Amino acid sequence: KNEVEQSPQNLTAQEGEFITINCSYSVGISALHWLQQHPGGGIVSLFMLSSGKKKHGRLIATINIQEKHSSLHITASHPRDSAVYICAVPNYGGSQGNLIFGKGTKLSVKP
Amino acid sequence: NAGVTQTPKFRVLKTGQSMTLLCAQDMNHEYMYWYRQDPGMGLRLIHYSVGEGTTAKGEVPDGYNVSRLKKQNFLLGLESAAPSQTSVYFCASSLHSQETQYFGPGTRLLVL
Repeated sequence: KNEVEQSPQNLTAQEGEFITINCSYSVGISALHWLQQHPGGGIVSLFMLSSGKKKHGRLIATINIQEKHSSLHITASHPRDSAVYICAVPNYGGSQGNLIFGKGTKLSVKP
Repeated sequence: NAGVTQTPKFRVLKTGQSMTLLCAQDMNHEYMYWYRQDPGMGLRLIHYSVGEGTTAKGEVPDGYNVSRLKKQNFLLGLESAAPSQTSVYFCASSLHSQETQYFGPGTRLLVL
């Protein structure tokens, strides 16, 4: 079963700061997911990536398959970025092909 | 397109009562999932379905049953609710395995 660790658990930043959230996993994967959970509870998928880097607006996700590590970066952070960010990887050996989720990183961006 | 919808949004049950949570998707997705989310824990998979008429157990299936009689609907049943089933339940769907999952808005369930 894959294990997922996210850091930090909680993160407070000032508006405009560059944010980095980290995710490590234990078993090699085909793709990793980053999701965002809004303060109201809704969950949306941000990225699915298997190598290199992906960018969407001010969000950048990178993955290093050899090191089993991914990062989510937010440039020029804004209070509306305040949310919980969740990393997820395939659960090989468990419910085959389904996802194992990290506990999330709670980000609070102050104006 | 409505995407993934869940009913009800909130429910209070007494211990021993039963209920069914309904998930519906209009994206013609093959895969559907039921998760629970508890404080301090990541989303955990309860049951999932890889297509109409099929279901399979996830990580925490005990106390729950599911059915997928129609491709667009995935039902989660609690036959005899227990306080340990107090949680927020999310349904999700994806076109295939390991594709982007689309989540419903969640159902808050309180079992007294």
